[in-house]
Amino acid sequence: DAKTTQPPSMDCAEGRAANLPCNHSTISGNEYVYWYRQIHSQGPQYIIHGLKNNETNEMASLIITEDRKSSTLILPHATLRDTAVYYCIVRGGFHAKGYKLSFGAGTTVTVRA
Amino acid sequence: EPEVTQTPSHQVTQMGQEVILRCVPISNHLYFYWYRQILGQKVEFLVSFYNNEISEKSEIFDDQFSVERPDGSNFTLKIRSTKLEDSAMYFCASSEAETGGDSNQPQHFGDGTRLSIL
Repeated sequence: DAKTTQPPSMDCAEGRAANLPCNHSTISGNEYVYWYRQIHSQGPQYIIHGLKNNETNEMASLIITEDRKSSTLILPHATLRDTAVYYCIVRGGFHAKGYKLSFGAGTTVTVRA
Repeated sequence: EPEVTQTPSHQVTQMGQEVILRCVPISNHLYFYWYRQILGQKVEFLVSFYNNEISEKSEIFDDQFSVERPDGSNFTLKIRSTKLEDSAMYFCASSEAETGGDSNQPQHFGDGTRLSIL
């Protein structure tokens, strides 16, 4: 699976949009980009995933660049409860050997009042 | 919303003892996983399980570890003879069947069992 690079930390003001970048320059054509978050000591929580089109759900939006080498997770109106470690994970694809997720260090997002 | 449940939430065991961690995956899911997270470190993959057999395992998952789906609802991780370094949070996850030729079903995680080895 392709490796991802994320900033180690970022701050965000409550009520503002949080834009979390992720680089995955070695992504291959059938690999998906997944985003998870982990709120202190809880299990990782699935947020969203995509292949090449932008995706939106009730939690967030995922913007994937046309060359698929990077993506941005957008939390539209961050709240204090969005304070967590956010993981960008690339996983796939056709004939993949297993479907394990490889977690990196993620981005520690702190939402401030 | 359906969720993955894990029991117990905290398990304290003496070194050398056997421990069984239990998970109830989401009911229509067919893929099952165990991960662990040592305090302050990354979440690490241990094993995946599909169709009543292990489909992939990591180097961590040595012969001291085993998994089982004893009935239609539970998925267990057994550590035969625990060591101090087995102390960690253990997370169970499950996902739906993969459709088509791509793997794109998200995994859903439980809140973990904190295993403390004394």
